[in-house]
Amino acid sequence: DGGITQSPKYLFRKEGQNVTLSCEQNLNHDAMYWYRQDPGQGLRLIYYSQIVNDFQKGDIAEGYSVSREKKESFPLTVTSAQKNPTAFYLCASSSWTGYNEQFFGPGTRLTVL
Amino acid sequence: AQRVTQPEKLLSVFKGAPVELKCNYSYSGSPELFWYVQYSRQRLQLLLRHISRESIKGFTADLNKGETSFHLKKPFAQEEDSAMYYCALGGGSNYKLTFGKGTLLTVNP
Repeated sequence: DGGITQSPKYLFRKEGQNVTLSCEQNLNHDAMYWYRQDPGQGLRLIYYSQIVNDFQKGDIAEGYSVSREKKESFPLTVTSAQKNPTAFYLCASSSWTGYNEQFFGPGTRLTVL
Repeated sequence: AQRVTQPEKLLSVFKGAPVELKCNYSYSGSPELFWYVQYSRQRLQLLLRHISRESIKGFTADLNKGETSFHLKKPFAQEEDSAMYYCALGGGSNYKLTFGKGTLLTVNP
């Protein structure tokens, strides 16, 4: 393991608060991704970034925001506009030469109280 | 649009029995198919990809473009194979992956 780190492992938030999840990679990968994992739903793409200073919405971007100021970092902010934020969040990265293979972090479990 | 279907949410087999996890996809271009596995308390990791035509931990998967399927198979299941398995589809220039909803495999002793 290693290469992609996510922090914190567990996060608790009160309703109405924004919270930022950290994702860092030292694999020198160009692309990074955020997924949400819910039981029975599989992995759903929130946002992805193919290069620094650029990112695109995934399938469920509403209520989330991201930034990509550095190649190795892709933080995700869960805003108060996200109606059902309690979930397990996974970050991943990939290289252009990796045949789309994505490498995943350990995840952050967010609970809204 | 890309779509991946894993029809079984749960699959339970006995140790030593053959196992097949089904995956069907919908994609108009040239697909790249993957199987990812998530063992208990471990991160999601790549198990195998169709382009490599490799066998990992005794698992194989063949891409059948006619049936648009990429089923995962193992002739003799082991207890340590118990995990959540995801089929994923890639393709095109955006390097996104579309994941199925996953199949939880339980191998009983």
